[in-house]
Amino acid sequence: SAVISQKPSRDICQRGTSLTIQCQVDSQVTMMFWYRQQPGQSLTLIATANQGSEATYESGFVIDKFPISRPNLTFSTLTVSNMSPEDSSIYLCSVEWSGGRSDTQYFGPGTRLTVL
Amino acid sequence: GNSVTQMEGPVTLSEEAFLTINCTYTATGYPSLFWYVQYPGEGLQLLLKATKADDKGSNKGFEATYRKETTSFHLEKGSVQVSDSAVYFCALNSGGSNYKLTFGKGTLLTVNP
Repeated sequence: SAVISQKPSRDICQRGTSLTIQCQVDSQVTMMFWYRQQPGQSLTLIATANQGSEATYESGFVIDKFPISRPNLTFSTLTVSNMSPEDSSIYLCSVEWSGGRSDTQYFGPGTRLTVL
Repeated sequence: GNSVTQMEGPVTLSEEAFLTINCTYTATGYPSLFWYVQYPGEGLQLLLKATKADDKGSNKGFEATYRKETTSFHLEKGSVQVSDSAVYFCALNSGGSNYKLTFGKGTLLTVNP
């Protein structure tokens, strides 16, 4: 499986500001995903980010609030814009391993965001 | 649409007790099924998976069998340890052109010495 890292591991931010979360993979992968895990809750998919195309957002998530970049096959960023306390969550990136021939996703360690 | 229903938690057991966490699913076609584990303060780790009916996934003493007739994928372990304390998530992936994972709500397991 791939080794996935995320930066920052945690942050405390003021409302109205923005935070960019980085996800780095040690191997080239086609499909990367961004999830949100609100306190005590399960994971909700925000968007799918494939290299060379626009991210595909799930219902309830919009690009203006969660812009995503995918400049190459090993890196992606998620920005949480104009933050409010309701954005306090763990944000996780995942990758689908084996370029579409496997349906298994592996997750990064997550970024714990607190918005005051 | 796809959905996963997990046994409500929290579950509290004594060390060496037998563990079952129930998981049932609704999906079109033939999904792949997964159990992920989230230890305190960490991200999700893949625990085990099964891709077709009657497959048994196993890892670290945990097992789960893909039961198509009952649309279930229950997680079991014969003797739990304190270090197994974590949140366990059942998930499915119906594949095709969309590799979106659908998660259950998670079950918190606490194992006491």
